[in-house]
Amino acid sequence: EPEVTQTPSHQVTQMGQEVILRCVPISNHLYFYWYRQILGQKVEFLVSFYNNEISEKSEIFDDQFSVERPDGSNFTLKIRSTKLEDSAMYFCASSERGDRAYEQYFGPGTRLTVT
Amino acid sequence: AQSVTQLGSHVSVSEGALVLLRCNYSSSVPPYLFWYVQYPNQGLQLLLKYTTGATLVKGINGFEAEFKKSETSFHLTKPSAHMSDAAEYFCAVRPSGNTPLVFGKGTRLSVIA
Repeated sequence: EPEVTQTPSHQVTQMGQEVILRCVPISNHLYFYWYRQILGQKVEFLVSFYNNEISEKSEIFDDQFSVERPDGSNFTLKIRSTKLEDSAMYFCASSERGDRAYEQYFGPGTRLTVT
Repeated sequence: AQSVTQLGSHVSVSEGALVLLRCNYSSSVPPYLFWYVQYPNQGLQLLLKYTTGATLVKGINGFEAEFKKSETSFHLTKPSAHMSDAAEYFCAVRPSGNTPLVFGKGTRLSVIA
């Protein structure tokens, strides 16, 4: 069964460093998402991406964040200058279409620890 | 703004006992409702969803949930817990169109032998 994959599973970085979290969505999906979950808190939406551009973003997704689909398979989340409060589990998701009738398939997550 | 409240961050049941995980939502429009499960070191997996029609929806692994509009609830149940049900469960709402999922904080289910 097709699945969303994410690498790395765990990333440790120092405050101020740049990190790139990678995702490989399901191959025929067109909509891509990043969510995050700070320990003990809710899973929160960060950004959605379609047709090589951001379709929606949350207040969390400020200028230090960016997303890219550099090739036909990868979908990346870059954090330019990490802060302690960026420590969280980051989930990538994809769906065939953007409408809510279409299920979002989630990857296993990347745990980001900023020290 | 839409929100989801899951009562109880941790629920513990005995093997064979009823599982009840509570979820209440707020939404200004008829929402689509979802339950996701996360097993250790795995991604979020869809258990079941309510879109329109029958308010009692059945999902995988014997779980079901009932949409009660008057109570703005979408509680998850399973008649008999199994050890393999131990996981984190997330309730989520998607209010309309292409809006993103709004999640609750999750409930960790433990099953005691």
